[in-house]
Amino acid sequence: NAGVTQTPKFQVLKTGQSMTLQCAQDMNHEYMSWYRQDPGMGLRLIHYSVGAGITDQGEVPNGYNVSRSTTEDFPLRLLSAAPSQTSVYFCASSTTPSSAEQYFGPGTRLTVT
Amino acid sequence: AQSVTQLGSHVSVSEGALVLLRCNYSSSVPPYLFWYVQYPNQGLQLLLKYTSAATLVKGINGFEAEFKKSETSFHLTKPSAHMSDAAEYFCAVNSGTSYGKLTFGQGTILTVHP
Repeated sequence: NAGVTQTPKFQVLKTGQSMTLQCAQDMNHEYMSWYRQDPGMGLRLIHYSVGAGITDQGEVPNGYNVSRSTTEDFPLRLLSAAPSQTSVYFCASSTTPSSAEQYFGPGTRLTVT
Repeated sequence: AQSVTQLGSHVSVSEGALVLLRCNYSSSVPPYLFWYVQYPNQGLQLLLKYTSAATLVKGINGFEAEFKKSETSFHLTKPSAHMSDAAEYFCAVNSGTSYGKLTFGQGTILTVHP
């Protein structure tokens, strides 16, 4: 049981490049989400999904796309990277009740130059 | 709407001293409240959560938190700090309206001195 896995661990992009951050979970959780963590700002929700084929925007969705074709995978796509997207990105999953614990991946540290 | 405010971005204590990390929330409905801990270069791990059962919640590693509706607070405490408690701590709220959409506080970095 690997829990929530994320790849890559580190990535450096040039402004304007695109890339996909991968997230997978093996707990059969319906709910998955992406957060970004910036110093002094806590974690902010980018996009979330309540099941395969269903996604919605969070607090800071601009510049990011997601899709959910399977229960296990929830990739995050940066369409045209900008320095403001330099951050640490965390994927999380949980069962659907609002009181449920969210399980976090180890994070991807992204630098955009 | 829901929001969380953590008072103090940095807290420093001596080993063996009381740890108190403050969290105030705003929610239009009865909330679910969480404390997560993040050790350096790792993801977040759940310490404890309040889900409208007992107002005093016990978590892992000797931490506990008390839900006080009148004060809209959910402060985290530990009677005696250990060096291994040094980490960043996040309070989070979910107003229960939309699955797991957590709103996080800005975080408090706890430093423990020998």
